[in-house]
Amino acid sequence: AQSVAQPEDQVNVAEGNPLTVKCTYSVSGNPYLFWYVQYPNRGLQFLLKYITGDNLVKGSYGFEAEFNKSQTSFHLKKPSALVSDSALYFCAVRDSSASKIIFGSGTRLSIRP
Amino acid sequence: EAGVAQSPRYKIIEKRQSVAFWCNPISGHATLYWYQQILGQGPKLLIQFQNNGVVDDSQLPKDRFSAERLKGVDSTLKIQPAKLEDSAVYLCASSPTGQGGEQFFGPGTRLTVL
Repeated sequence: AQSVAQPEDQVNVAEGNPLTVKCTYSVSGNPYLFWYVQYPNRGLQFLLKYITGDNLVKGSYGFEAEFNKSQTSFHLKKPSALVSDSALYFCAVRDSSASKIIFGSGTRLSIRP
Repeated sequence: EAGVAQSPRYKIIEKRQSVAFWCNPISGHATLYWYQQILGQGPKLLIQFQNNGVVDDSQLPKDRFSAERLKGVDSTLKIQPAKLEDSAVYLCASSPTGQGGEQFFGPGTRLTVL
């Protein structure tokens, strides 16, 4: 069975500081990993994905994520946070042998000026 | 390109009433998904279509929920009769063929059951 965990309900960061939003996963096969962002009253927007290849994946709005197979993690990072990054972030995983994608419970990112 | 369209955006009904949601995916996307997102939680897959066939409906409460995707394009999700616990945002998403493809989400329908 596949699962994904986002251990932090909320992350608070000062503008200009680096940010990290954590995600760990469990799959039986090879993982396909995704990050999405959700703004109030909006659907989810795709940020980035890892399918294969380089462990460091770059995505939209200056975000990047690092795939770590030994730690089964896919943490989302940004070198310098903006107030406009404040939103709800979801990690998602799909086992390469399955069709269903599983979403984490979400992490609310709050960037203070 | 146009995004995923959903209607209505908001719906308020009494319990035991019925309700239907509509979704039009991005043109050419073979896979269509319906998710339920309860406040404070991540989206939960209700049903996944590949063209007009069902790939996964293991988490769809089939005694009250139904969905169809006639002609492999747009889709409707119906709840009959609704319960209080059905209050949630219902998200539709689509993706191109291929398991590595990301999903594109519509704005969602916020359902309130009183």
